[in-house]
Order: sequence, then structure tokens, then C-alpha cells
Amino acid sequence: GNSVTQMEGPVTLSEEAFLTINCTYTATGYPSLFWYVQYPGEGLQLLLKATKADDKGSNKGFEATYRKETTSFHLEKGSVQVSDSAVYFCALKNFNKFYFGSGTKLNVKP
Amino acid sequence: GAGVSQSPSNKVTEKGKDVELRCDPISGHTALYWYRQRLGQGLEFLIYFQGNSAPDKSGLPSDRFSAERTGESVSTLTIQRTQQEDSAVYLCASSLVAGETDTQYFGPGTRLTVL
Repeated sequence: GNSVTQMEGPVTLSEEAFLTINCTYTATGYPSLFWYVQYPGEGLQLLLKATKADDKGSNKGFEATYRKETTSFHLEKGSVQVSDSAVYFCALKNFNKFYFGSGTKLNVKP
Repeated sequence: GAGVSQSPSNKVTEKGKDVELRCDPISGHTALYWYRQRLGQGLEFLIYFQGNSAPDKSGLPSDRFSAERTGESVSTLTIQRTQQEDSAVYLCASSLVAGETDTQYFGPGTRLTVL
């Protein structure tokens, strides 16, 4: 089957710290992988995506690499800001269906 | 339109009543998706439309749930005889086509509370 597992939160970091949010998946076939972000009081929005193995998605300083060998798509950022505080969802798309992880809340303190 | 819109933004209903949730996708988007997000949980896929057809209804939790789409535009999700466990945020998303790599754009959601 298809599923996404991401690290539980909340994750609390100080500003300028390095961020990693782990995401692993199981899937049949060749899924596309996504990170979505939900800022407080706002709807979900796409952060980045990767469509095939070894692709790297990047946006706003965030990066994630599609690793087929480890079935992972970990989200990283070298230096977080207070404005990055949000809930981050890892997701895969396979045969026109999306499967989302349970979300990881990130709190960045000044 | 500029983005995906959903109405109402909040709905409080009594157990046993029927509710209808509406989604207006981005103009020109042929694919439309419905999800449910329970408090503190991830998104649960319910159904998607390509045009006015729903190729996969397997995510609908029970036969109390139904959805339709007309004119390759607006979609309604209907929940009959609501139960307390139906309380959640119902999210709609649209994409240009239902291709493997296409990006979804989400609406703000409808928060449903069943008393």
C-alpha cells in the first residue's frame, strides 16, 4: 500500500538553527513526493516537490531529496527563522491519490 | 478565480442532520480533491474528480458520504445523518489535471462540528 510516516512534533528550535524533519514512505510504483506547509491560521500550501528518484526540491531555503534507496524525503533548512513556525506535511502522490503524513509542528524561538 | 474557495467556513450541526459543503476550484482546473483533517491528524483522502467524473470513491468513509461535481467546476460534499465522529475540517483542493506530478492548490477548509 501507500503511506507516509513523518517525525512527531512539536519540534522547537532557536532562530538560525539547522532543521531536519524526517519523512519516509511506502509506495507501489513511482510516486511523486511533496512537502506542504500550513502557517497559523492559513490553508495548506505547497512548499516543494520532487517527481523522481534523486530529484531535489527546494524553495524558501528548504530542501528535500527524493531517496528511493531509503524511501525517504527528509526536509532540511540550514537556518530557520521565526517566520518558519508552522505545521509541515510530507505527502506522496500515486495514481492520482495523495497520501499525507500526520504533520510536524515546528516552533522557532527568537 | 484567484484561489480555491469553500463554503461555509464553519458549520455547526446536530447529530443526525444532513450537511452540504461546497468547493469552488480555481477556474480551468479539471481535477478536484476532497480531504478530511481530524484534529491533530493528517489529511485523509476522500475522493477526487477528473472533470465531472469520480474515478475513485474508495476513500469515502461510509455510504453517508457522497460528492458530486457539475460543469467541471463547483463540487459539493454531502454528509447524511451526521455523527459526532464526522467533526473535522474538510479541505478541497484543485489542480490543472490529475496527472502524477501536478500541484494541488488547497482551499481554506470548512470546519464541521457535529454536536
